[in-house]
Amino acid sequence: GAVVSQHPSWVICKSGTSVKIECRSLDFQATTMFWYRQFPKQSLMLMATSNEGSKATYEQGVEKDKFLINHASLTLSTLTVTSAHPEDSSFYICSARATPGVPEQYFGPGTRLTVT
Amino acid sequence: DAKTTQPPSMDCAEGRAANLPCNHSTISGNEYVYWYRQIHSQGPQYIIHGLKNNETNEMASLIITEDRKSSTLILPHATLRDTAVYYCIVASGGSQGNLIFGKGTKLSVKP
Repeated sequence: GAVVSQHPSWVICKSGTSVKIECRSLDFQATTMFWYRQFPKQSLMLMATSNEGSKATYEQGVEKDKFLINHASLTLSTLTVTSAHPEDSSFYICSARATPGVPEQYFGPGTRLTVT
Repeated sequence: DAKTTQPPSMDCAEGRAANLPCNHSTISGNEYVYWYRQIHSQGPQYIIHGLKNNETNEMASLIITEDRKSSTLILPHATLRDTAVYYCIVASGGSQGNLIFGKGTKLSVKP
């Protein structure tokens, strides 16, 4: 149980275009979903936290107008990178929390974004 | 910032026990100790967590000192597939119980 999927697993896009990444909890309802970014040889950095039906909470330094997060249901969250630039190239990972008040998160396999 | 300190890297021989230490001297009474690992180019995988008592599951054992200021993750019989970056994280429950990842320990299991 507790499986989280991401789609696509990798994507290449041209500079200036937008890319949408989907995150789904397959066998549980996620009260909260998280989006992380990981640059090569670095650790995961939390970008934003989203609760179903609410606006996402962004970490300091993360542009909310550039990284649009929609948490439309208890099993789906999307991250849209708008007007992507080469410096947005990174490994994007989502996670989901099944139980409120419990820190445990289940992570997706990640999406490799390359902006050319 | 992460509230834990881990050695940057460790080696372990295949078949031997891997003992990964973690210091969390500022841990609060309501904070859990979580361990995740990340195999190259994959999402982190949950391993185990604990509050005060030692814990064991099919993957590993977690030993937490009595003062809770440090812990050790034990992989009893390491295999090559256990090569990964291991993250020790302290987190509380409630709405602010986010996972803050530090640099972790790169464990290399060698034949």
